[in-house]
Amino acid sequence: DGGITQSPKYLFRKEGQNVTLSCEQNLNHDAMYWYRQDPGQGLRLIYYSHIVNDFQKGDIAEGYSVSREKKESFPLTVTSAQKNPTAFYLCASSTYVADTQYFGPGTRLTVL
Amino acid sequence: KQEVTQIPAALSVPEGENLVLNCSFTDSAIYNLQWFRQDPGKGLTSLLLIQSSQREQTSGRLNASLDKSSGRSTLYIAASQPGDSATYLCAVSSGNTPLVFGKGTRLSVIA
Repeated sequence: DGGITQSPKYLFRKEGQNVTLSCEQNLNHDAMYWYRQDPGQGLRLIYYSHIVNDFQKGDIAEGYSVSREKKESFPLTVTSAQKNPTAFYLCASSTYVADTQYFGPGTRLTVL
Repeated sequence: KQEVTQIPAALSVPEGENLVLNCSFTDSAIYNLQWFRQDPGKGLTSLLLIQSSQREQTSGRLNASLDKSSGRSTLYIAASQPGDSATYLCAVSSGNTPLVFGKGTRLSVIA
């Protein structure tokens, strides 16, 4: 079954902690993306990757970090430097940057 | 910088009505325009992709049009059903940069 998966579905973090959100795809896509969605704000791009071992900052990269060591995986770390991390996080992939994007089911992060 | 606007922010219609969702963008130098659907608490699902050289795309009861010169796209939904209730998002690509999304139109179809 081809697709894109995110885990966990729900994540709770204490202030000052780093947490890592998982994103895996078996669609053989080169490009992968992380978005943040807040109520009334639409999707905002955090980081994206054209290809393995390369990634670029999006509009709101501060307080986040990523890696792209494998084609299938693009984990996102929310660091303690991110002051307001409570949000819904969406991962997506596409064959190339301008092509149709396929989204995962999302991870809802809550800071306690 | 590309900006995408969707009007209205929310729309409520009775079942069976035909409806139009609007999307506008500020920079007409686009590569393609995409429409997505999002159900509450879920990821996005791709509905239609229109290349910059195309005027429209159709999928079932959905028809999307593109007027690149005026920076506008519309998504037409025929014979709306309660199952069409969702948020619809428009996004544009400039080719070598990621999609820029609008904030979406939240549609409610009342039975």
